[in-house]
Amino acid sequence: EDKVVQSPLSLVVHEGDTVTLNCSYEVTNFRSLLWYKQEKKAPTFLFMLTSSGIEKKSGRLSSILDKKELFSILNITATQTGDSAVYLCALYSGGSNYKLTFGKGTLLTVNP
Amino acid sequence: DTAVSQTPKYLVTQMGNDKSIKCEQNLGHDTMYWYKQDSKKFLKIMFSYNNKELIINETVPNRFSPKSPDKAHLNLHINSLELGDSAVYFCASSQAGTGGSPLHFGNGTRLTVT
Repeated sequence: EDKVVQSPLSLVVHEGDTVTLNCSYEVTNFRSLLWYKQEKKAPTFLFMLTSSGIEKKSGRLSSILDKKELFSILNITATQTGDSAVYLCALYSGGSNYKLTFGKGTLLTVNP
Repeated sequence: DTAVSQTPKYLVTQMGNDKSIKCEQNLGHDTMYWYKQDSKKFLKIMFSYNNKELIINETVPNRFSPKSPDKAHLNLHINSLELGDSAVYFCASSQAGTGGSPLHFGNGTRLTVT
């Protein structure tokens, strides 16, 4: 069975800090890795990664995938209180495009 | 306009009752899903439909029955509700394709069984 493991489970930082969230995985047939941000309601899509070594960037957020070592990181620079959320890593794998397997998430709290 | 909408937002009911949650998407996607999120925020897939056809059924008790009347709608009916069914249920949709495509989630239905 596919596994997605996120670390740390929770993190508390001060505004302005830089954080790195980790996601490691074990799959039989990797297709893509996705990052989501969840505040109070629906998870919202951040990035989708399919190739190793190519950084995806959006403002202060960036992410990269290492398919050899089977992990991805999500970086947030100059954190703001609005970055406080649960960050979810998820994986498409195997023969089906229809099943996205989620990790348990990292709860990030950014204090003023 | 809301892309994936589900109703109701909140559902409080007693054990043993039967309830339904409705979901609609206006994104033109082929695939729809139901996910269950527990109190620790773990999202677990329950069902997936592609063009009204059941693709994934993840060892969910048969008290849960999804129905997809057309590819824009996926409803979830739950019979004989139990305390352990209390959770947030998310509907989602995506456009099928090689490598997968991002899921778009509804805002969730918080089900509380007393």
